[in-house]
Amino acid sequence: GQNIDQPTEMTATEGAIVQINCTYQTSGFNGLFWYQQHAGEAPTFLSYNVLDGLEEKGRFSSFLSRSKGYSYLLLKELQMKDSASYLCAVRDFDWWRYIPTFGRGTSLIVHP
Amino acid sequence: GAGVSQSPSNKVTEKGKDVELRCDPISGHTALYWYRQSLGQGLEFLIYFQGNSAPDKSGLPSDRFSAERTGGSVSTLTIQRTQQEDSAVYLCASSLGRGGVYEQYFGPGTRLTVT
Repeated sequence: GQNIDQPTEMTATEGAIVQINCTYQTSGFNGLFWYQQHAGEAPTFLSYNVLDGLEEKGRFSSFLSRSKGYSYLLLKELQMKDSASYLCAVRDFDWWRYIPTFGRGTSLIVHP
Repeated sequence: GAGVSQSPSNKVTEKGKDVELRCDPISGHTALYWYRQSLGQGLEFLIYFQGNSAPDKSGLPSDRFSAERTGGSVSTLTIQRTQQEDSAVYLCASSLGRGGVYEQYFGPGTRLTVT
C-alpha cells in the first residue's frame, strides 16, 4: 500500500505561480497521476509521470523524483477557474493489481 | 463520445434500507473502479474490475457492500442495511487499460445520504 501526503490547503494570487507537493511511500511504484476536482464535480485527469523529470502541458507541469518519493504540480499564470482540489494518486504494481491510491487532495484558492 | 454515467445522481435513504448504485463506463474500457469520497476526505478505493477477471474487492469496508459487472460493461454497487456512515459521494471510474498511461475517467458520482 501507499502513504500519500499533500498539503490540505493553499492560497495564491491570480497570475502567480503555485507548486503543490505530494510525497508518497510505496512498495512497487508504477506511476503517479494528478487530477483536478472542482467542487461538486468529478475528478479530471491532468498529468501522468512514471519516469523522473518534468512533464509540461500548457500552464500545468508535473515533476517526479522516484528516489525521493516526491512529486509536484506546478500551475503557472493562475486563473480564478484554477480554484479547485488537486489530487495526487499513486499506482502500485502488486501482482496484477493496477489500482491508484489517492491522497486527500489540496484545496487551492485563487484570489484576485 | 459519451463519458462515464452514474445513476441516480442523488439518493436519500433511511438507515437499514438497501440501495443500488449504477455505473455505465465508457464503451471499450476494460477497467472499472468504484471509490467513495466523504466530505474533506480523499477517494477511498472500494472495488476494481478488470476484463473478465475476478474483481478485486480488497477495499470494500464490510460485507454489506457488494458489486457486480455484467457483460464487462455496466456495474452495480449494492449496499445492504445502510448505515449513516455510508453517507458519501460514490464515484465510478473506467480506464482503457490497467497500466501505462491509461488515466481514469470519472463519472459525476452518486451522492448518498442515509438518514
